[in-house]
This record gives sequence, structure tokens and C-alpha cells, in this order.
Amino acid sequence: NAGVTQTPKFRVLKTGQSMTLLCAQDMNHEYMYWYRQDPGMGLRLIHYSVGEGTTAKGEVPDGYNVSRLKKQNFLLGLESAAPSQTSVYFCASSRGRDTQYFGPGTRLTVL
Amino acid sequence: GDSVTQMEGPVTLSEEAFLTINCTYTATGYPSLFWYVQYPGEGLQLLLKATKADDKGSNKGFEATYRKETTSFHLEKGSVQVSDSAVYFCAPHFGAGGTSYGKLTFGQGTILTVHP
Repeated sequence: NAGVTQTPKFRVLKTGQSMTLLCAQDMNHEYMYWYRQDPGMGLRLIHYSVGEGTTAKGEVPDGYNVSRLKKQNFLLGLESAAPSQTSVYFCASSRGRDTQYFGPGTRLTVL
Repeated sequence: GDSVTQMEGPVTLSEEAFLTINCTYTATGYPSLFWYVQYPGEGLQLLLKATKADDKGSNKGFEATYRKETTSFHLEKGSVQVSDSAVYFCAPHFGAGGTSYGKLTFGQGTILTVHP
């Protein structure tokens, strides 16, 4: 039981490049989330999903897109990266609106 | 609107000292309340939770009580250890009910360092 895994762990992009972050969970959770963590700001919700094939915007969705084609996977895409998207990204999942289980994070730097 | 205020750090303590990290919230309803902990280089993990007034959450020697009158959920531990060094996040879950997901809102985090 791996819990929540994230790929990749680190990435450096140039401004304007695109990339996709992959999140996978093996707990059969319905809900999945993408957060970003910036110094002094806690975690902010980017997008979330309450089930396969559904997504919704969170607090800071601009510049990101997501897809949930399979229940166990939640992808976060950056179509045209900007330096303001330099951050640590965390994926989480939960059974309903209870405890969220977090992945180890992806550290992204945009130059 | 709904919000959370968490004691700013960093907090530096000696081993076996008493710890309090304050957390207060503003809400139109009665949120579930969580404390998450982030150890260096890792993701967040649940430390404890309380879902209704007067509930006490506890885990690993940490405790927090849901105080509706003061809208607070302060984290306490009677005797900290070096291994407790981490970042602690207070996180109310506002507005969940019916078909609404609501919103899990994180405080800005308190860095705790415990010295031997």
C-alpha cells in the first residue's frame, strides 16, 4: 500500500514550457486535490475532484488545468509555466470530506 | 468570511518543555477542525482532529479541544521531544454539508524546533 505518490519529485522549467504532474493513490478514494505551498502562506487549493471524470476550481486555479480520467489518478498541467508558479506542489486524497492523505510533494522551479 | 489565524513562529523549545500553538477561526457554521504536521522533506500528515464542540483530539502526546465559545483549537503537548521538530498546520474544514465539498483551509504553519 503506497498511499499517495507523486511524479516527478523535482523539476526545473524555463518560462513558457509546459509540464504535467502526476498523482496516484491506491486507497480507492473518491476525492483528490492539488495544493501549492509557498513560504508563509500555508497550503492553497488549486483544483480538486470529487470523483472520476469531475474537476472543480479551488482557491488559485489560474494557469493550471487538471484531469481525472481514472479514479486513482489526478493530473495537474501547466501549459505555459511562469516564475510565479515556482512552488512545492502537493497532491492529496480523501474518502469523502474527512482526513486528507498527502503525497511527498513535487518541487518545481520556473526560471 | 471563513478564516483561520494561527500563531506565528518559529517556536524554539528545549526538550521536555511544554508546547502551545494557538489557532482561532472565524466561521458562519461549525467546521471540523484538524491539525496536520509536516516533517522535514515530507508531505503533510494528520496529527489529530475534532468534529464537534468540546471534542478532544489526541495523538502522540498532542491534544487539542474544540472550543466553540472561543472559536479556538489550540495544540498542546506537555513534554516535547527533538523528534517533534516539524511544521504544524491548523486546518478548519469550512462549509461542508449536503453536496458541498466546503473548503479545508490551512493556517500559515508554525515551525517548531526542539533542542536536546
